[in-house]
Amino acid sequence: AIRMTQSPSSFSASTGDRVTISCRASQGVNSNLAWYQQKPGKAPKLLIYAASTLQSGVPSRFSGSGSGTDFTLTISRLQPEDLATYYCQQYYSYPVAFGGGTKVDIK
Amino acid sequence: EVLLVESGGGLVQPGGSLRLSCAASGFTFSRYWMNWVRQAPGKGLEWVANIMQDGSEKYYVDSVKGRFTISRDNAENSLYLQMNSLRAEDTAVYYCARDQDSLEYFQHWGQGTLVTVSS
Repeated sequence: AIRMTQSPSSFSASTGDRVTISCRASQGVNSNLAWYQQKPGKAPKLLIYAASTLQSGVPSRFSGSGSGTDFTLTISRLQPEDLATYYCQQYYSYPVAFGGGTKVDIK
Repeated sequence: EVLLVESGGGLVQPGGSLRLSCAASGFTFSRYWMNWVRQAPGKGLEWVANIMQDGSEKYYVDSVKGRFTISRDNAENSLYLQMNSLRAEDTAVYYCARDQDSLEYFQHWGQGTLVTVSS
């Protein structure tokens, strides 16, 4: 089974900061990677799929990059509403696997 | 509008059984793979199982193999998860989620139903 490792597990940043979250797969997943945002008490929201394709309706300050085993989610200018936990997910092979999550706090 | 509504969660004793349902609307249910994803309290997301459009293929995470069974009724636009031999570690919010063009990433999720396994 492919294991997904995210880093950091949590951090705090200020409004307007550029934020990057890393995700590493234990083996190559090509570009079969998605990113989600989850706010407390809510279902996850799809942000990015195919490693770098922005889901319709998602603000352009979110972007994704990478392929193979190393991926990055970037928020270009952090906004207060971006307070959430972010998850990566590989869908290259079964079992589908999520990373452990990165909790983003606003300073 | 795609709508997924889970039901059937509740409190069950260890070793017990529970059947979750997910009612789908707003799309042609029979054309999509369907999934269950769970989240233990304060923990991350874990994919549980999925089922092909006609029910002929099913996949499970190792931790539920032999205990959980995913099924669907395309005539009723419904997805199910039969959970047997429940353990404390199965305690979680269970979400149903629809695939995207036979790729297992999830734009559409239900609101979730809480399953608590405790004596």
